[in-house]
Amino acid sequence: AQSVTQLGSHVSVSEGALVLLRCNYSSSVPPYLFWYVQYPNQGLQLLLKYTSAATLVKGINGFEAEFKKSETSFHLTKPSAHMSDAAEYFCAVSLKGFQKLVFGTGTRLLVSP
Amino acid sequence: GAVVSQHPSRVICKSGTSVKIECRSLDFQATTMFWYRQFPKQSLMLMATSNEGSKATYEQGVEKDKFLINHASLTLSTLTVTSAHPEDSSFYICSAPHQVSDGYTFGSGTRLTVV
Repeated sequence: AQSVTQLGSHVSVSEGALVLLRCNYSSSVPPYLFWYVQYPNQGLQLLLKYTSAATLVKGINGFEAEFKKSETSFHLTKPSAHMSDAAEYFCAVSLKGFQKLVFGTGTRLLVSP
Repeated sequence: GAVVSQHPSRVICKSGTSVKIECRSLDFQATTMFWYRQFPKQSLMLMATSNEGSKATYEQGVEKDKFLINHASLTLSTLTVTSAHPEDSSFYICSAPHQVSDGYTFGSGTRLTVV
């Protein structure tokens, strides 16, 4: 069965600093990997996804992630944090064929002025 | 783009009553719908998978008689919380895979509060 681990339930950065949110996955077959952002009392918004094409994936709002098979990682980065980036971020994995998504425990990003 | 409309966004009900949550795919046919529950400050946990025209598949530990899922058409899936209790208070989110967009489309969620 596939799973994801997000290291760090909270990450704090200053506005303008690098954002790095970690995600490691476990899957017996090549996975599909996703990053979602959630604002309070709202649904999930897709930031980016990896579906076996380019390993460096660029998403919305300046975010990107790199699929590293050797490290079983799919870390999310953004060069310069903005106050509006403060939210909950979820890494998720699924198998090809769009089977169920399995979510990590989430990382709350805090951005200070 | 693919849109899943989820209603209601918020509902407060009395203990012992039932609540129905609807998810409609507006511009595509959703043969599959995933239903998730999210407790405060926690992750999304899959409750069940519904497929149009067949019985839903429930995850281990989810009471199928309490959480009734119906997927009678390619554009509508419903979750009914029967005999709701305060411990059922949660945020419920539906999601449909969308192969054209190579991803999943999520509803905006329903905040259920049982008093």
